[in-house]
Amino acid sequence: QVQLVQSGAEVKKPGASVKVSCKAFGYTFTSNWMHWVRQAPGHGLEWMGVINPTGTGAHYAQKFQGRVTMTRDTSTSTDFLELSSLRSEDTAVYYCARDSSMVEGDRSGWWFDPWGQGTLVTVSS
Amino acid sequence: SSELTQDPAVSVALGQTVRITCQGDSLRSCYASWYQQKPGQAPVLVIYTKNIRPSGIPDRFSGSTSGNTASLTITGAQAEDEADYYCNCRGSSGNNWVFGGGTKLTVL
Repeated sequence: QVQLVQSGAEVKKPGASVKVSCKAFGYTFTSNWMHWVRQAPGHGLEWMGVINPTGTGAHYAQKFQGRVTMTRDTSTSTDFLELSSLRSEDTAVYYCARDSSMVEGDRSGWWFDPWGQGTLVTVSS
Repeated sequence: SSELTQDPAVSVALGQTVRITCQGDSLRSCYASWYQQKPGQAPVLVIYTKNIRPSGIPDRFSGSTSGNTASLTITGAQAEDEADYYCNCRGSSGNNWVFGGGTKLTVL
């Protein structure tokens, strides 16, 4: 079945970088964009960015511009999220989620399904 | 501040109907998608596009859109529906997506 499997938990020191992976199973990897979303403890969902199906381009939330890089390895059906210059406020669960979309009437719709299981990144000195 | 606004908390009596709303200008051209999240779990898609439920989502969940407001309705709420619910839509820049702040649903 369609599934996204993420890498394990990470503990990093302030100023370091972290790279999280998301491996896709059960569908044609190059047919869909992939989003990254994070959730700090006790907080809501925060969209970070999205990478295109071929891995040749990405759009990042303004908040993370300059610190985030999303890449894709189509040979292994794996997406990567790298976040640099980590600070304590980056402590969160990071999720990947597959994008789908359609147009109906005068509106377009996008949805995220499925989601990876999440990767906890802890930033602490 | 979020471009999509949700009430922080809503409660409903067991078996009754509850509506969770999401407001924002981008909803005038975008169908919201809705996600259910239980503690310690990844979000799960419950409604997308006009009013489509993914396989496995009970038919007591439904969605609607009018103007700049999207709504998620649970008809006959069950104890297992107690969770956080988030709406999502493409943002005003066209290259970003936005989540609402989330609504914590309590089933009494």
